[in-house]
Amino acid sequence: GDSVTQMEGPVTLSEEAFLTINCTYTATGYPSLFWYVQYPGEGLQLLLKATKADDKGSNKGFEATYRKETTSFHLEKGSVQVSDSAVYFCALSPTSYGKLTFGQGTILTVHP
Amino acid sequence: ETGVTQSPTHLIKTRGQQVTLRCSSQSGHNTVSWYQQALGQGPQFIFQYYREEENGRGNFPPRFSGLQFPNYSSELNVNALELDDSALYLCASSLEGQGASNEQFFGPGTRLTVL
Repeated sequence: GDSVTQMEGPVTLSEEAFLTINCTYTATGYPSLFWYVQYPGEGLQLLLKATKADDKGSNKGFEATYRKETTSFHLEKGSVQVSDSAVYFCALSPTSYGKLTFGQGTILTVHP
Repeated sequence: ETGVTQSPTHLIKTRGQQVTLRCSSQSGHNTVSWYQQALGQGPQFIFQYYREEENGRGNFPPRFSGLQFPNYSSELNVNALELDDSALYLCASSLEGQGASNEQFFGPGTRLTVL
């Protein structure tokens, strides 16, 4: 079945550092790929998405590119802020809607 | 525009009891999905309701059941609670259909503790 694997965490960075959170997936066909963020005490928020190979999703300085050849969707940000501290989830859906399959999440802590 | 709301926020039950969790979908949405998020894990898909019909189910036993009402709000029922049912239960609503964005909007969740 479908699965998503995220890099082991937690990740601790200083403000303005470069961020990469790795995500790889296993799925049949051409799933849609997502990054969700969960701030303390809140629900999940969609951060960005890509629906086909080579698409780049971007939002709030975060980017991720749908790489079909490596089945990856790594999350990057050039300069993190303290306010980016949260849990980040990579997810896929077999179509652009329907059930989401999530990775285990990566805790990001950014220090001033 | 009102977002997705869930009630109650927290709940404590004992093993063997039954529980009902509630979700109000975002205005204009016709689909509700439920997820179980165990501590330190990613959410796991339980099932989805589209226009009051179950529209897909994850790997959960039949004691997990649901309803969707004509106003598209939804309930998740869990019978014969087990200790492993302790988790954060997330509801997500979306607008499904041709031309719709299909993005799932999540509520804050209900924290269920089974003792």
